[in-house]
Amino acid sequence: NAGVTQTPKFQVLKTGQSMTLQCAQDMNHEYMSWYRQDPGMGLRLIHYSVGAGITDQGEVPNGYNVSRSTTEDFPLRLLSAAPSQTSVYFCASKQRYGYTFGSGTRLTVV
Amino acid sequence: KNEVEQSPQNLTAQEGEFITINCSYSVGISALHWLQQHPGGGIVSLFMLSSGKKKHGRLIATINIQEKHSSLHITASHPRDSAVYICAVHGGATNKLIFGTGTLLAVQP
Repeated sequence: NAGVTQTPKFQVLKTGQSMTLQCAQDMNHEYMSWYRQDPGMGLRLIHYSVGAGITDQGEVPNGYNVSRSTTEDFPLRLLSAAPSQTSVYFCASKQRYGYTFGSGTRLTVV
Repeated sequence: KNEVEQSPQNLTAQEGEFITINCSYSVGISALHWLQQHPGGGIVSLFMLSSGKKKHGRLIATINIQEKHSSLHITASHPRDSAVYICAVHGGATNKLIFGTGTLLAVQP
């Protein structure tokens, strides 16, 4: 199925644990990005990539790492989770006429 | 001051009403996006605009580049239009998307 696939949909982590949020798209889009959505704050850009091997920071990059080894995949890594990273995370890819978003990952850090 | 401001923050309408949501921005942009998010749901891209006006079904989006303002209109509103509508701009010299905080629309039958 064409689109952006995010996994997992839900995750609970303990403070200090690490994890990777997966994002994959099968539309051959060069641009991919990660956002977090918090109540009252709206969506904020974490990291983005304009193609394989190229990544850059967004508005709130601290505590997150990304890599882009293939066009299809753009994983987001939390190296040492903190309660402040409790949020809903969305991955998206961009084509000429707009964005396609994944269904989101609800992450709780306790 | 946020770079992207939406108004109103909350809007309640009766089914069939004409609805307008406004977005103002303070940065140079290459494009403006309107997004829709249903409660607990994913995000859907409605429009991408760089000038003029676009229409899709009952939805109309306009942009005035000189005034740095865009509007999203919904004609003949329906309860299924109830959602958060989000305005976002693509900075002119960057690849970064900057979001407004959204407008929560409730359409009552």
